[in-house]
Amino acid sequence: GAVVSQHPSRVICKSGTSVKIECRSLDFQATTMFWYRQFPKQSLMLMATSNEGSKATYEQGVEKDKFLINHASLTLSTLTVTSAHPEDSSFYICSAREADQPQHFGDGTRLSIL
Amino acid sequence: KQEVTQIPAALSVPEGENLVLNCSFTDSAIYNLQWFRQDPGKGLTSLLLIQSSQREQTSGRLNASLDKSSGRSTLYIAASQPGDSATYLCAVAGNTPLVFGKGTRLSVIA
Repeated sequence: GAVVSQHPSRVICKSGTSVKIECRSLDFQATTMFWYRQFPKQSLMLMATSNEGSKATYEQGVEKDKFLINHASLTLSTLTVTSAHPEDSSFYICSAREADQPQHFGDGTRLSIL
Repeated sequence: KQEVTQIPAALSVPEGENLVLNCSFTDSAIYNLQWFRQDPGKGLTSLLLIQSSQREQTSGRLNASLDKSSGRSTLYIAASQPGDSATYLCAVAGNTPLVFGKGTRLSVIA
């Protein structure tokens, strides 16, 4: 089946650090990738959608300069949290889809900013 | 804008009980509906996917139904086990990425 690999699974770093999270589709071409954020005991909230080779489309309230998304190939998207602060601590999950097929999800990244 | 609601928010049952989790959505123009399981601190495990043209899907002890016209889906779990304890998320796909409900936290007590 379709596999999405997300790395790293956990990051702990100091305030002010920039953190990069990678999301890879291992056995299909991810024409569209999605980044979600989940706070404790809350649902997944969509942050942005990106199509390969295009700029990401951000949801309302998500700072594009804070959360940089790159989708340069059909198998890789990255999310960079720039100058992270404690309020950016959260669980980030990527998802990928080929054409109009169902979305497949990575295992998530737990980001903790001290 | 699509909104997904799940009831109850939390549920605790003794082992062996059959149970029903509910999901409702506001926009019936969906392509499919999915049920996921999420263990604490972990990612999502897809349980069942129902296409908009389907009425139900079954996998083992799980059965999910879809009534698109009324904007409702149910997840039925038969003979619950402690290993079923997790958060169950309902998500709908329309002309947008998957929209998730807040989930139902299930605890099955041995």
